[in-house]
Amino acid sequence: GNSVTQMEGPVTLSEEAFLTINCTYTATGYPSLFWYVQYPGEGLQLLLKATKADDKGSNKGFEATYRKETTSFHLEKGSVQVSDSAVYFCALSPRGGSEKLVFGKGTKLTVNP
Amino acid sequence: GAVVSQHPSWVICKSGTSVKIECRSLDFQATTMFWYRQFPKQSLMLMATSNEGSKATYEQGVEKDKFLINHASLTLSTLTVTSAHPEDSSFYICSARELAENIQYFGAGTRLSVL
Repeated sequence: GNSVTQMEGPVTLSEEAFLTINCTYTATGYPSLFWYVQYPGEGLQLLLKATKADDKGSNKGFEATYRKETTSFHLEKGSVQVSDSAVYFCALSPRGGSEKLVFGKGTKLTVNP
Repeated sequence: GAVVSQHPSWVICKSGTSVKIECRSLDFQATTMFWYRQFPKQSLMLMATSNEGSKATYEQGVEKDKFLINHASLTLSTLTVTSAHPEDSSFYICSARELAENIQYFGAGTRLSVL
């Protein structure tokens, strides 16, 4: 089956610190991989995506590389800001089959000034 | 990116009444939309897949008679919580699948409080 495992939070960092949120997946076939971000009281926003092995998704200073050999899609940012405080969800979309997104449990990030 | 509008953003209702939530894809057509429920500090739980022009597909354990889904057009799906009770209080989020990109775009969510 398909599943996504994210590092458990919460994660608390100081402004300008380096961020890594680990995400590994199990899937049949070749899924597309996503990171979504949820700010307090809001729905999910697509942060970045990658559709095939070795693709790097990037947006707003965040990056994640689709690693097929390690079945990983870790989220990184070199210098976080207070405004990055949110919950981050890793997700996969199976190819050629179900359209359903499979989500990780989410990682809450708090960035302090 | 594409925009999905969800309305209302917050609703308070009395126990026993019904509440309708709308989900619209504003700049693309969506043959498939999804309804999720999110409990505090938890991930999203898929409730059902809404298919334009046909019946919704419900996940195991979700009562289809309680959570009525209608997807009458390519840009609108509605979720009606019938005879709502306090245990139905939750954050409901919809998404619409943009076919060409195979990306789900999410609405901002609806917070339902049943008194």
